[in-house]
Amino acid sequence: DGGITQSPKYLFRKEGQNVTLSCEQNLNHDAMYWYRQDPGQGLRLIYYSQIVNDFQKGDIAEGYSVSREKKESFPLTVTSAQKNPTAFYLCASNNGPLDEQFFGPGTRLTVL
Amino acid sequence: GQNIDQPTEMTATEGAIVQINCTYQTSGFNGLFWYQQHAGEAPTFLSYNVLDGLEEKGRFSSFLSRSKGYSYLLLKELQMKDSASYLCARPGGRDDKIIFGKGTRLHILP
Repeated sequence: DGGITQSPKYLFRKEGQNVTLSCEQNLNHDAMYWYRQDPGQGLRLIYYSQIVNDFQKGDIAEGYSVSREKKESFPLTVTSAQKNPTAFYLCASNNGPLDEQFFGPGTRLTVL
Repeated sequence: GQNIDQPTEMTATEGAIVQINCTYQTSGFNGLFWYQQHAGEAPTFLSYNVLDGLEEKGRFSSFLSRSKGYSYLLLKELQMKDSASYLCARPGGRDDKIIFGKGTRLHILP
């Protein structure tokens, strides 16, 4: 079955540590996105990529980094520079901005 | 501007009808999405309107007026499982991102 996977579902890290969240899709989608969601809030775009080896900053890119070495994969690194990293992180993919987005199940990151 | 506005919360009764409104900046408009998100889960696609008018999909319908920068999601015969957040979203225009509203949390009362 085609879809998007994110792992792990829950992640705990100590303050000051970098952590990488994985996102893999087998839908053959060109575009991939990372969003952050805080309790009771909407989705805020962190980074997005329209094609392999290219990505753009979203609205809240500071303290995050990404790579897009393969079409299927778009990992997100939460660095120690991110001041308040505890949040629910969602990865999505589609074939462009006029296409519906398919979301992964999300990773809930807690920084202690 | 790319602002999307929708009410923060709404409450309705099981079996009733509810309309969730969304307004947006009309410049560079390329259609409007609606997504449903249950608490702690990922959003799932409901509808995409490009042309004016009402599109019906079972108990859910979505309406668009491009000239007014206005859309609504209509939920009929409400069920308890419809308790969720409903997100309005639109393509960003010159860039390739999608702009989401903050979502409307819908509470269904028995």
